[in-house]
Parts: sequence; C-alpha cells; structure tokens
Amino acid sequence: DAGVIQSPRHEVTEMGQEVTLRCKPISGHNSLFWYRQTMMRGLELLIYFNNNVPIDDSGMPEDRFSAKMPNASFSTLKIQPSEPRDSAVYFCASSLGGYGEKLFFGSGTQLSVL
Amino acid sequence: GDSVTQMEGPVTLSEEAFLTINCTYTATGYPSLFWYVQYPGEGLQLLLKATKADDKGSNKGFEATYRKETTSFHLEKGSVQVSDSAVYFCALSGDAGNMLTFGGGTRLMVKP
Repeated sequence: DAGVIQSPRHEVTEMGQEVTLRCKPISGHNSLFWYRQTMMRGLELLIYFNNNVPIDDSGMPEDRFSAKMPNASFSTLKIQPSEPRDSAVYFCASSLGGYGEKLFFGSGTQLSVL
Repeated sequence: GDSVTQMEGPVTLSEEAFLTINCTYTATGYPSLFWYVQYPGEGLQLLLKATKADDKGSNKGFEATYRKETTSFHLEKGSVQVSDSAVYFCALSGDAGNMLTFGGGTRLMVKP
C-alpha cells in the first residue's frame, strides 16, 4: 500500500502564477479531503469529496481556489492567481468513508509564493 | 458548530517524564474522538481513537479516555521518549459523518 501520494513535495512560485497541487488517494478509499496548515491558522479543511463529488467546499478561501476530482484515483487543488498569503503546507487525506473512519494523510506540499 | 480546544504548546519535557496534553470538545450528539500525531516533515497519522463514552484508546504507550461528562479526551503517556517529539492534534468526528474537526495542535519537545 503506497499510501496517499502528493506532488510536488515543494513548490516555489511567484505571485500571480497558477499553482496546481496533485493527490492520489489510497485505492478503494471513497472520501478525499484537502487541508491547509499554517502557523497562524493551524489545520483548516478546504474541501471534502465523497465518491468524487464535492460535498463541502465551505473552507475554500475564495474564488482563486478550485478543486477537482475527475476520478477515484486523482484530485487537484488549483490556485489561480497565487498570492503570498497562500504560502502553507497543503495536505491531502483519504478515508474509506463512513462514521468515525480514520484519515490517511499524504506527506503534504510545501507551497511558497514569493 | 463542532470545535476542539487543546492546550497551547510547546510542551517541553525530559525523557521519561509523564505527559498530559489536554483536549476538550464541543459537539452535538455523540462524536468519535481522535488523537493524530505529526512528525517533522510528515503528514498526520492516527495515534488512537475512542468512539463512545468511557472508551479508552491506546497505542504506543499513549492513552486517552472519552469523558462525556467533562467533554474531554486528554492524552497521556507515562514515560516519554525523545522519539515522541512531534505535534499532537486532537480531533472529533461528529454527526455530519467522517469530516474531522481538528484542534490547533500541541507541539511536544522531549529532551534527552
């Protein structure tokens, strides 16, 4: 079991550029989550998919952020245009779904927007 | 809505000291409670969980008991090691399903 795979591991970009973060959940998992972690705000849930359908995107900061899950094995989080305040570690997590199921996290993408 | 409050860190202990990290929660219904641990440069991983009142979750020497009367889920370990240095997150999964609400995290530093 390869676990949740995220890419890239690190991303450095300039303000205004488009950034795409990628996630491959664990095979068979039907729930996928995108989190953002910063020192100031801690761990924030951005969006949650169940069976590839976005269920709750209330945590997405603004229209510059978008997320897709075209199939059960792939999801993207896009920021366009990026801003320095978007600098954070972005985590993807997956689970089997259902009440109380544990989440499996990827290693995260460290994003720096200059 | 649901919320989780943890003691602020960092918590600095000497090796073999006793550890307590406090966690209290606010939720409707009967949530499941979790402790996740994040080692440097890694994602979070589940440490232990409890799904109903008075349950005790345990793993790797860590324990936490689901106390509904005090809405708490404090993490304890009798003798910490340097390798336990990490950030610990308390979390709950409420009636809405498997979405987790996390606390702010508590950094633990264990010195030899």
